[in-house]
Parts: sequence; C-alpha cells; structure tokens
Amino acid sequence: GAVVSQHPSWVICKSGTSVKIECRSLDFQATTMFWYRQFPKQSLMLMATSNEGSKATYEQGVEKDKFLINHASLTLSTLTVTSAHPEDSSFYICSARIGPDLTDTQYFGPGTRLTVL
Amino acid sequence: GQQLNQSPQSMFIQEGEDVSMNCTSSSIFNTWLWYKQDPGEGPVLLIALYKAGELTSNGRLTAQFGITRKDSFLNISASIPSDVGIYFCAGSGGTSYGKLTFGQGTILTVHP
Repeated sequence: GAVVSQHPSWVICKSGTSVKIECRSLDFQATTMFWYRQFPKQSLMLMATSNEGSKATYEQGVEKDKFLINHASLTLSTLTVTSAHPEDSSFYICSARIGPDLTDTQYFGPGTRLTVL
Repeated sequence: GQQLNQSPQSMFIQEGEDVSMNCTSSSIFNTWLWYKQDPGEGPVLLIALYKAGELTSNGRLTAQFGITRKDSFLNISASIPSDVGIYFCAGSGGTSYGKLTFGQGTILTVHP
C-alpha cells in the first residue's frame, strides 16, 4: 500500500516551453501533496504544499507563477514548470500525506528528471 | 527555520559491518522518519517514529526517537551491498507543522 506514482519519469524540453508533471496516489486518497526539488548530491528542498480544492502554499523564494500547482482531486496533483529555462533542470519529487493528521507519514513518488536545453 | 543536522555525511564500510547514523535538531519534532533514496529514485520510507523514546525495528534496521524529541538514530546491522544509497532523516511537527524537514543525508557505500 501507499504507492505514489509520477509521470513522466524524465522529460527533455527546449527553453521557453512549459512542462507538466503529474503526481498520483494510487491506493489512497491524499488531501495534501507536496512538491520537492532536489539537486545532485543534495537533500530535498520543499517547493510547495498542495491541498485538494484550494490554492497551493509556496515556500519562500519559490515563484508561484513559474511553478503552477493544481490539486484537482484527492489522488492527483500536477506541477507545471512554465517557460522553463536551463536553471530549472532538476529532479522533481512529489509526496502524498496518507492521512488527515498533520503528523501522518508522507510517501514519495519516484521523481521526474527535467532537463531543459 | 528548523534545521536537522545529520551525520556522518558519508560512510564506506565492508559488507557485514554494522552502521549507525544520527540526526539532531535544535528544536522539537513530533515525528521522526527515516528514508532511503537510490540514485534516480524517490525516497522510500524505512521507519516512522511517533513517540519520544520509541525504539522500532524493521528487519536489519533499528531506529529510535530520542527522549528529548530533538534527535534520532538509525542502525543497520550486518550490512549488505544493496544497502548502498543515501539515507535521510526527516522530522515533522514543531514550528513547521505538517511539513517535513530533511537532514543533509548520509551516503552509504558497502564494499563486498
């Protein structure tokens, strides 16, 4: 149980284009999902908290107009990197919190490798 | 904000050896989690700790939630080559309620 999927697993795009990444909880409902970014050999950096049916909450320094998050259902959250540039190249990972309690465990997706040329 | 200090940063050990890594925080957490990440993959939950003083095992892994709620350790016994990866501690609760704060990670290399 507690499986989270991401799609695509990797994507290469040209500078200036937009890329959408999907995060799905496969066997549970998640009112809250999280989006992280990870650079090589570094820890995970939280970008935003995605709540079903409401606007995402972004961490300080993360541009909400650049990283659009939509959490339209209890099993799906999407991250759209708009007008991507090479510096947006990174490993993007989502997680889903399994229960309504704020201390409930987060389960992570397999990640999406974004390369912007 | 909250900070987690994880040590050691990296470990090189022989197969069969035991491993210990720990995390400390300047503030209290209500939940401690230990994850393992393989290259190009997302973190996989190993152990979750919910109560101060709790000691939990998962196969060859043992983790404890410090009594002060400011630290946790993870032990791996009789390491095997597939234990290779990056191990992260993460804390939940405290001033960043609902979010996870991650340690810097411990890179584990196991020589056969």
